Amino acid sequence: GESVGLHLPTLSVQEGDNSIINCAYSNSASDYFIWYKQESGKGPQFIIDIRSNMDKRQGQRVTVLLNKTVKHLSLQIAATQPGDSAVYFCAENNAGNMLTFGGGTRLMVKP
Amino acid sequence: EAGVVQSPRYKIIEKKQPVAFWCNPISGHNTLYWYRQNLGQGPELLIRYENEEAVDDSQLPKDRFSAERLKGVDSTLKIQPAELGDSAVYLCASSLGGSPGELFFGEGSRLTVL
Repeated sequence: GESVGLHLPTLSVQEGDNSIINCAYSNSASDYFIWYKQESGKGPQFIIDIRSNMDKRQGQRVTVLLNKTVKHLSLQIAATQPGDSAVYFCAENNAGNMLTFGGGTRLMVKP
Repeated sequence: EAGVVQSPRYKIIEKKQPVAFWCNPISGHNTLYWYRQNLGQGPELLIRYENEEAVDDSQLPKDRFSAERLKGVDSTLKIQPAELGDSAVYLCASSLGGSPGELFFGEGSRLTVL
């Protein structure tokens, strides 16, 4: 399949370990944030979202943490699996329904 | 339920040629987006439609790019003439609209301009 990106920041983890992917956002007025997963040759796929009135939200094996003081967002993946290998993007909603995407982090899971 | 459908998946053209991409959003989704994704970067919004109305096209290079969403369902993005720098993946997404929420993306159309 085609590569999403060749020079992305990369996080390499052992299968079964926990992964933490970080994102700094730019607009203090952003009120909604999403994490997307993008596998090679595919479009971004929704993982989890959080609104600005929350600081933590949990899903299945994933947790998103929001620190508005330092404009920081993180995605935690528990018990990382080979199928989690992908590029992960954070996105912020800062003007109506327009999402602005960050630069992405490549997660590589070693068996 | 079918997802967002895009075609073609791949297109290779020579510079100065025209190209068009087609998108069929998820049924019932009023909001449709076209994004461009360059290699190694996140998607960048080109245009957003609410039904058939383009409500945000500030990032669309209007000298060569055009889009339409007739009848508020399918959409077409056109580039004429294409330039080398237009090589990218063109992603279509749709959502229910209203408050900010999840965007559902298609698999994209990868354009290579030679």
